[in-house]
Amino acid sequence: RKEVEQDPGPFNVPEGATVAFNCTYSNSASQSFFWYRQDCRKEPKLLMSVYSSGNEDGRFTAQLNRASQYISLLIRDSKLSDSATYLCVVNEGGFQKLVFGTGTRLLVSP
Amino acid sequence: DTGVSQDPRHKITKRGQNVTFRCDPISEHNRLYWYRQTLGQGPEFLTYFQNEAQLEKSRLLSDRFSAERPKGSFSTLEIQRTEQGDSAMYLCASSSGQISYEQYFGPGTRLTVT
Repeated sequence: RKEVEQDPGPFNVPEGATVAFNCTYSNSASQSFFWYRQDCRKEPKLLMSVYSSGNEDGRFTAQLNRASQYISLLIRDSKLSDSATYLCVVNEGGFQKLVFGTGTRLLVSP
Repeated sequence: DTGVSQDPRHKITKRGQNVTFRCDPISEHNRLYWYRQTLGQGPEFLTYFQNEAQLEKSRLLSDRFSAERPKGSFSTLEIQRTEQGDSAMYLCASSSGQISYEQYFGPGTRLTVT
């Protein structure tokens, strides 16, 4: 079983749509959780940290369910510029190495 | 620009040659990480430094790989006797160890071994 699992997609949505990505992780000792965004042939960029209480940043909302070891990302009012790969990332404590999922590809069309 | 920088951005080498990559972290960050990413996969952890001490190495880091951070600032990653399987994007990230240990990535060095 992979440590962090994501649906690879692609998710094809029209502009203005709402889209949700889900992710599960296997290590119950994981301490911190993140969503990163990666454009083609570029480095991953931190989109947001994910807190137990859930958090929102503009059109983006992240949720964490520790009991189910499940993380989600909701994007409202999708823009063309949201087209990218979204990486679910877990920090496994200790020396804080990040464990990445394989990413979910999002394509937003006009 | 005060972000993480990496040099070179691209490297093409022949199998069997040695290559060295450099990473300059965000200046106030004492934690530095190396990751490797191949096509269609998420980045995979290679090694971690806190200041100049290398505190963790992945099983992925074979004997041909060595990393240093001699003064606790920039870091180098060397691959000896490169193999075609080493072709990948090598990413460096840094962290202050605060704010939920958020890590910030450099642009990466894309290695192609022919």
